[in-house]
Amino acid sequence: AQSVTQPDIHITVSEGASLELRCNYSYGATPYLFWYVQSPGQGLQLLLKYFSGDTLVQGIKGFEAEFKRSQSSFNLRKPSVHWSDAAEYFCAVGESNTNAGKSTFGDGTTLTVKP
Amino acid sequence: DVKVTQSSRYLVKRTGEKVFLECVQDMDHENMFWYRQDPGLGLRLIYFSYDVKMKEKGDIPEGYSVSREKKERFSLILESASTNQTSMYLCAIRDLNTGELFFGEGSRLTVL
Repeated sequence: AQSVTQPDIHITVSEGASLELRCNYSYGATPYLFWYVQSPGQGLQLLLKYFSGDTLVQGIKGFEAEFKRSQSSFNLRKPSVHWSDAAEYFCAVGESNTNAGKSTFGDGTTLTVKP
Repeated sequence: DVKVTQSSRYLVKRTGEKVFLECVQDMDHENMFWYRQDPGLGLRLIYFSYDVKMKEKGDIPEGYSVSREKKERFSLILESASTNQTSMYLCAIRDLNTGELFFGEGSRLTVL
């Protein structure tokens, strides 16, 4: 069964500082990998996705993530955080070899941005 | 743009009541999902469907059932609501090409 681990429950960074959110996954085949963001009171929005090709993927709002197969990781990065980035971030792995294509989510990382 | 509509944003029900949560999509997608979201637990899959009248259990199906009579509509049913089913419920559809999920805005259910 697939699984996702987000080791950091809560991260606080200063505005303008760099950010890295960690994600490790377990899946038997080449996975589909996703990062979603949920702002307070809002639904989930896709930040970026990986399903093939270049292992460094760019997303919206200046985010990027790198797929490292050898480490089973898909860490999210941003060079300079803005106050509006404060939100909860979810990493997810999706089945790539079934019709249903279930996605399994990590427990989430809450990002606080200090002025 | 993909649109996933959950008919009720907020519901308050009593223990033992039957609860229906409705989800409607406008893009003819086959795959639809129901998740519940609880603080510190992320999103957990309750049920999913990959075709009309087809349904499969997710990771936490106990206490829930689903119905998919038409392609665009996927309903989550709590036959007898209990307080431990107080949660945020999220419906999603899946893009078959990329695996991306598109979510509704959620239905926050409180069971008293």
